[in-house]
Amino acid sequence: GQQVMQIPQYQHVQEGEDFTTYCNSSTTLSNIQWYKQRPGGHPVFLIQLVKSGEVKKQKRLTFQFGEAKKNSSLHITATQTTDVGTYFCAGDFNKFYFGSGTKLNVKP
Amino acid sequence: GAVVSQHPSWVICKSGTSVKIECRSLDFQATTMFWYRQFPKQSLMLMATSNEGSKATYEQGVEKDKFLINHASLTLSTLTVTSAHPEDSSFYICSARDTVANYGYTFGSGTRLTVV
Repeated sequence: GQQVMQIPQYQHVQEGEDFTTYCNSSTTLSNIQWYKQRPGGHPVFLIQLVKSGEVKKQKRLTFQFGEAKKNSSLHITATQTTDVGTYFCAGDFNKFYFGSGTKLNVKP
Repeated sequence: GAVVSQHPSWVICKSGTSVKIECRSLDFQATTMFWYRQFPKQSLMLMATSNEGSKATYEQGVEKDKFLINHASLTLSTLTVTSAHPEDSSFYICSARDTVANYGYTFGSGTRLTVV
């Protein structure tokens, strides 16, 4: 089946440090979405990227879509404890398949 | 924004019984809804695509007779776990998209199923 690979699996940072998670697909995606899931909660939609090379920002979060539309990244600048959670990318293969997720832990 | 309501949020049932989970789009119509399953500390695995007025499309390895999906209206999809076994214990979550608003997929709050 379709797969979206995501790394790293875990990331522990000190508050104020930056964080990046990467997604990679073996096939070209029509678009990619990013979600955040807090412990015990359900995934919450963050953003959708559609265009090749697209970069979108949401405050301290920067999302990129690769030129070949096969990879994407989420970068958080100066992490805060409220950023704790698991970040998932989801690739659109006419239905969404999720990456394995990156669990972010931020130490105050 | 688009709201998806899922019920129940948790359920405990005995082995051999069936459990129905409901997924409703509250403020938009959804011709398609998706059902996912999530094991602890793992990602969401797509189980099936629920299509309003027609048969659901199941992912490879998902038993259609075990996980019955009905999408009888534009705002309601149900997932019935039939003859549940302890290995069916998991977090089940649905999602739908408001295509009019062109927003991302909205997820229900999920159902924690425990089969004893």
